[in-house]
Amino acid sequence: QKEVEQNSGPLSVPEGAIASLNCTYSDRGSQSFFWYRQYSGKSPELIMSIYSNGDKEDGRFTAQLNKASQYVSLLIRDSQPSDSATYLCASDSGGYQKVTFGTGTKLQVIP
Amino acid sequence: DTGVSQDPRHKITKRGQNVTFRCDPISEHNRLYWYRQTLGQGPEFLTYFQNEAQLEKSRLLSDRFSAERPKGSFSTLEIQRTEQGDSAMYLCASRPTGGASHEQYFGPGTRLTVT
Repeated sequence: QKEVEQNSGPLSVPEGAIASLNCTYSDRGSQSFFWYRQYSGKSPELIMSIYSNGDKEDGRFTAQLNKASQYVSLLIRDSQPSDSATYLCASDSGGYQKVTFGTGTKLQVIP
Repeated sequence: DTGVSQDPRHKITKRGQNVTFRCDPISEHNRLYWYRQTLGQGPEFLTYFQNEAQLEKSRLLSDRFSAERPKGSFSTLEIQRTEQGDSAMYLCASRPTGGASHEQYFGPGTRLTVT
């Protein structure tokens, strides 16, 4: 079983809609959770981090964490074509100082 | 630009050759990570340095792989006797000194193609 699981997609949403990306993790000891955006052929870019239950908002992005359900999500409001990318969920599971990544969800925003 | 830098950005080599990649972390970051990413997968952890000490290595890091960070600044990743299965993007990331945050910042990566 993978430690961090994501649906690979693609997830297609129309421009202006809310995109909802989901992630589950298996290590109950995980404390830190991250969302990275990765454009094709580029390296991952950190867009959100969340450490406590609830919501964290940054501009058009909202990260949500539910430790009881071992569930992390990322909402992107007013989706733009430039948001089309693969979104990687990650957590500090699997070892000391290590961050474990999911396989990513590909998001397509349709103009 | 004060971000993480990696060199080269692309490397094409023949099977059996040795290759070396370099990573320069953000200057105030004492923690440095190497990852490997193949198509359709997330980055997979290879190894971690705190200053010059290599504190953790993945079992993915076979005997053909070696990493160093001799002065606690830049790091090198060497792959000996490359195989076609080594073809991947090799990513370096660094993390701020101290604190509880695990936020890591990635460099642009080195794309390795083994022919």
